[in-house]
Amino acid sequence: DTEVTQTPKHLVMGMTNKKSLKCEQHMGHRAMYWYKQKAKKPPELMFVYSYEKLSINESVPSRFSPECPNSSLLNLHLHALQPEDSALYLCASSQGLAGPGGAYEQYFGPGTRLTVT
Amino acid sequence: SQQGEEDPQALSIQEGENATMNCSYKTSINNLQWYRQNSGRGLVHLILIRSNEREKHSGRLRVTLDTSKKSSSLLITASRAADTASYFCATDANSGYALNFGKGTSLLVTP
Repeated sequence: DTEVTQTPKHLVMGMTNKKSLKCEQHMGHRAMYWYKQKAKKPPELMFVYSYEKLSINESVPSRFSPECPNSSLLNLHLHALQPEDSALYLCASSQGLAGPGGAYEQYFGPGTRLTVT
Repeated sequence: SQQGEEDPQALSIQEGENATMNCSYKTSINNLQWYRQNSGRGLVHLILIRSNEREKHSGRLRVTLDTSKKSSSLLITASRAADTASYFCATDANSGYALNFGKGTSLLVTP
């Protein structure tokens, strides 16, 4: 199984709502990522988890709260979002964190299209 | 921060023609990857080339890397309508922990 799944596919939420995005992989990968992608732009890294621990937080506002309950699951909790947070949210996984000189390809899910009204 | 810059931003060709996309980056890298993204979908890994490699092939794909010029190219031969997508180069960043994506090239292949 080389698939990363994300739910929901689409989400519309108000600025006062609390919602969660979910991501799952069963490839035994130990690194998982959240990216944000605006229309016609490249993905921008938000968070990186390695062995269920947060490794990188790219100065993301606290209204985005990641959680890694186990090695297969990654959640992104959303609260008090702004309309400018509307975007495609992509989850990805890789075997691990490559470190200097190394490299792992990343496997991406199809994304959650988020609209904040 | 984005490190790669793809060129051209958009490319339109006919089926059967070759498509060449270029990527330039600013700082030293350990490896460079190319990804494809169909409209509004997730990214698919195409090929990874390490800094000590100059050329790599995968099916109809050919990737070159020139570290002296800090540039890479992706060649798709005998293109098909199904190749219509956005193509991104991505370089390693944060000591290899994560990817910095370029702005992407939007490829349209018409029958």
